[in-house]
Amino acid sequence: DVVMTQSPLSLPVTLGQPASISCRSSQSLVHSDGNTYLNWFQQRPGQSPRRLIYKVSNRDSGVPDRFSGSGSGTDFTLQITRVEAEDVGVYYCMQGTHWPLTFGGGTKVEIK
Amino acid sequence: EVRLLESGGDLVQPGGSLRLSCAASGFTFSTYAMSWVRRAPGKGLEWVSAISGSGTTTYYSDSVRGRFTISRDNSKTTVWLQMNSLRAEDTALYYCVKEVRTAATWGQGTLVTVSS
Repeated sequence: DVVMTQSPLSLPVTLGQPASISCRSSQSLVHSDGNTYLNWFQQRPGQSPRRLIYKVSNRDSGVPDRFSGSGSGTDFTLQITRVEAEDVGVYYCMQGTHWPLTFGGGTKVEIK
Repeated sequence: EVRLLESGGDLVQPGGSLRLSCAASGFTFSTYAMSWVRRAPGKGLEWVSAISGSGTTTYYSDSVRGRFTISRDNSKTTVWLQMNSLRAEDTALYYCVKEVRTAATWGQGTLVTVSS
């Protein structure tokens, strides 16, 4: 199985400051169809996961442009340019390239 | 608007069975593969099972293969997860998810508790 390693586990951030979450995969996530199925999700307390970014860097409709995704191969990053109070929650990366699909362990973003 | 409404979660004894349902609306159901993903208490997300748009191809995680069965009826725009031989470690909130490789939209979840 592809292991998805997220870091850090916990990320205390000051409001208005940037934040960055790393996600590394144990194998390349480039699919035979040419796509890289690396996605990012936000799960706020008491809510279902919400997709923020799909296929590395495509932001979902309605997602603020302070969120961005980047990376390639086995190394990926989710960046928040200026953290707001509503960004508190757990963030997960997920690979959809190889079966079984796998998630990172999650990064808890909290306000200092 | 895409809507996914899960139901069927309950308290069940170890070894018991449950059938989860996911009623979908707001999109052309038959053209999308669907997944079930779960989150156990205090843990992260775990992909459980997926089914192709036609229903002819299914996938399972090692932890549920042989015990769970995913199915769908495109005329009813519904996907099911039949769970047999339930174990304590199956206790989780189960989410229905539209699309598989990109997990576009998630339902609100239905809670399964396996305990004696």
